[in-house]
Amino acid sequence: GENVEQHPSTLSVQEGDSAVIKCTYSDSASNYFPWYKQELGKRPQLIIDIRSNVGEKKDQRIAVTLNKTAKHFSLHITETQPEDSAVYFCAATLSGSARQLTFGSGTQLTVLP
Amino acid sequence: EAGVAQSPRYKIIEKRQSVAFWCNPISGHATLYWYQQILGQGPKLLIQFQNNGVVDDSQLPKDRFSAERLKGVDSTLKIQPAKLEDSAVYLCASSLEADRQETQYFGPGTRLLVL
Repeated sequence: GENVEQHPSTLSVQEGDSAVIKCTYSDSASNYFPWYKQELGKRPQLIIDIRSNVGEKKDQRIAVTLNKTAKHFSLHITETQPEDSAVYFCAATLSGSARQLTFGSGTQLTVLP
Repeated sequence: EAGVAQSPRYKIIEKRQSVAFWCNPISGHATLYWYQQILGQGPKLLIQFQNNGVVDDSQLPKDRFSAERLKGVDSTLKIQPAKLEDSAVYLCASSLEADRQETQYFGPGTRLLVL
């Protein structure tokens, strides 16, 4: 089955700086990679996703890059703000009838004012 | 649109007791998932339903956990008897069964503490 590793487990940045979180996956057949943000005590919420037919996707201050050859993908947050502080999870799955997401272990991002 | 609903939000029980969680997915979502999220870890899939059928329950500890989705809408997850290591947040998620509609929407979760 799929295995997803996520680094770092904790990340502190100054407000306005960029933050990068990296994930690797094991199943070369995986083709859908969402990122979820989970604030303390709240539900995970999808913030961006990417499919394997593209290498990069951007949505305002958030971008995700995918390297299929190396089997890794990264979340980039620019101009970080205190409200970006949360736990971020990457996930991977094979698109299709199963669609079982395998999650990484999470990154606690703290944006220092 | 209304989101995924779960109840109760919190539950404290003693080991060897039984507990049940309820989930109501987003209207029209055919696929329903139950995840277990242990503190400090990512969600781990327990079981996936497609309408009222089980797609995958390979990671469900079937000696103590059971789940059903009898009418293809609401679902219940039961633990009987509970163990200390079952303390976690149980998340329900749903997705629209359509081509390339992989987005899973999560409920607020039920936080279980087993003493």
